[in-house]
Amino acid sequence: GIQVEQSPPDLILQEGANSTLRCNFSDSVNNLQWFHQNPWGQLINLFYIPSGTKQNGRLSATTVATERYSLLYISSSQTTDSGVYFCAPQGGSEKLVFGKGTKLTVNP
Amino acid sequence: NAGVMQNPRHLVRRRGQEARLRCSPMKGHSHVYWYRQLPEEGLKFMVYLQKENIIDESGMPKERFSAEFPKEGPSILRIQQVVRGDSAAYFCASSPFLGGPGSYNEQFFGPGTRLTVL
Repeated sequence: GIQVEQSPPDLILQEGANSTLRCNFSDSVNNLQWFHQNPWGQLINLFYIPSGTKQNGRLSATTVATERYSLLYISSSQTTDSGVYFCAPQGGSEKLVFGKGTKLTVNP
Repeated sequence: NAGVMQNPRHLVRRRGQEARLRCSPMKGHSHVYWYRQLPEEGLKFMVYLQKENIIDESGMPKERFSAEFPKEGPSILRIQQVVRGDSAAYFCASSPFLGGPGSYNEQFFGPGTRLTVL
């Protein structure tokens, strides 16, 4: 099955800083989603992005399927951005395969 | 539009008891998925269901775990004779059925059920 690697595993920022989170995957994918798990454990959909670039406010994502990676950009970070960010591609089946996540801490 | 509903949000069971977790998909969604998040681990797929059909159960433990999605009512994940290792957050997700077989639609997650086995 698909192997998913996310980096960095931990990231600490000051409020207002920008960051880039990376997701590498081992095989071709049909879909890829990014999620934010907030400190209360809730999984929030950020992007559904099998290829190309999408933007939503201060967040944007790019997936280059041919090179098997996706990037999540967070600009002007806020304390409410803290939590764990997961990428989850789908390969030959419907199941999402989650990486171990990047734990982001944004300090005021 | 209500999102994916799960209940209960928290469930405490003693070893050997049964746990039943319920999931109501978003309106208009016909596909349901269950995932488990063990402490300090990522989320792992368990099972994928459509109404009255189990499509993929490759992530389900071989014993004690079962899932259903009846024609009427919520999807149920059932764990018999729970053990301490079953303590985890169990998430349900749903997706629409757009584009026919082989389409990979966006999955939306519920708030999860946190199971604690004493």
